[in-house]
Amino acid sequence: DTGVSQDPRHKITKRGQNVTFRCDPISEHNRLYWYRQTLGQGPEFLTYFQNEAQLEKSRLLSDRFSAERPKGSFSTLEIQRTEQGDSAMYLCASSLGGGNIQYFGAGTRLSVL
Amino acid sequence: QQQVKQSPQSLIVQKGGISIINCAYENTAFDYFPWYQQFPGKGPALLIAIRPDVSEKKEGRFTISFNKSAKQFSLHIMDSQPGDSATYFCAAIRNAGGTSYGKLTFGQGTILTVHP
Repeated sequence: DTGVSQDPRHKITKRGQNVTFRCDPISEHNRLYWYRQTLGQGPEFLTYFQNEAQLEKSRLLSDRFSAERPKGSFSTLEIQRTEQGDSAMYLCASSLGGGNIQYFGAGTRLSVL
Repeated sequence: QQQVKQSPQSLIVQKGGISIINCAYENTAFDYFPWYQQFPGKGPALLIAIRPDVSEKKEGRFTISFNKSAKQFSLHIMDSQPGDSATYFCAAIRNAGGTSYGKLTFGQGTILTVHP
């Protein structure tokens, strides 16, 4: 399968713990995006990378959130000191060049207890 | 600020019927409008998309109608099938000189149920 891959699929953590998610985009896609989706809502943009450069961050991305794409391939999203409000599905997407079509992974569902 | 508003929240149709989902946007800088389909436990998948220089685009049973002056667009699913039961999201994105700004803005979603 050469689609967007996210790991883990599910994560349960206690409030105050740190969590890290990984996204592997489609090979050769130079753009990578992170979105957050809460129950009953559409995905909300968090941040995106072109190669290794982080080009835009949403106001939703508080200072507890950090994303990296060190070699322009896979990306990680870390949430420090998790809060119950962080519980959501975290989606990763990738696209080729400046194209409009973004391909999504299946997401990582985070539950903060 | 909700820049893309979608309705209805949920929709129930009979097999063979027409499903219609509507969206309205505020930002006139948007110039690409995709629809995504999402099944439980899966990420959204692109279904069909339109640019504002055309008023309609059809792909199989799926049609987008676009009204630029009203800043509205809609998805029509003809001959709806139980396999179409999913959540549908409209979205919008803005470009600059052909290079996407990158950020998809989604509507709130419509849960479609097609009864056999």
